[in-house]
Amino acid sequence: GAGVSQSPSNKVTEKGKDVELRCDPISGHTALYWYRQSLGQGLEFLIYFQGNSAPDKSGLPSDRFSAERTGGSVSTLTIQRTQQEDSAVYLCASSLDGTSGRWEQYFGPGTRLTVT
Amino acid sequence: GENVEQHPSTLSVQEGDSAVIKCTYSDSASNYFPWYKQELGKRPQLIIDIRSNVGEKKDQRIAVTLNKTAKHFSLHITETQPEDSAVYFCAARDSNYQLIWGAGTKLIIKP
Repeated sequence: GAGVSQSPSNKVTEKGKDVELRCDPISGHTALYWYRQSLGQGLEFLIYFQGNSAPDKSGLPSDRFSAERTGGSVSTLTIQRTQQEDSAVYLCASSLDGTSGRWEQYFGPGTRLTVT
Repeated sequence: GENVEQHPSTLSVQEGDSAVIKCTYSDSASNYFPWYKQELGKRPQLIIDIRSNVGEKKDQRIAVTLNKTAKHFSLHITETQPEDSAVYFCAARDSNYQLIWGAGTKLIIKP
């Protein structure tokens, strides 16, 4: 079946501009996660959505970052007033159910963001 | 909160030899421990996972062991092949239903 998809695959933007990154989770997956991965580094948790519950935003690095998930499916990560340190690969993952039983996370291909 | 430490950061082994990567965690309530493989420029992919009610799980050349008392778990790869070269990440599921990730191990298979 279809996996997690993300768009765009690459985004180059000028410092100070806003960007929107999109994630389409696997159909039926109620949990959705956003991570950031800088070059050669590990996975930095950003935000977690579980069903209709309030998202866990504890990983967002600043108030320039926000995310929403509409209709329990597609999610958009927005970065306002981008800075050079925002340059990274942004990965989205989904799992069948974040609260019980099926915890395997499946990742999308990522969006490579470059802020010039 | 949960903290996961992963060692070594880089591991170089001869093709055909075994490789072992170790992770420790801090929260005794953690109950799910996956391992992901990330090839250069690709997304992380789940290769094996273990839950706290078992001590070992195998899948062909890959195995994971869990010691709940000592709070550590390990990935074992036998008969390593060139395609095993990648970065491997361990993780532990915390009480907030999130995965807390190790820093990664770069595995190099020497021909």
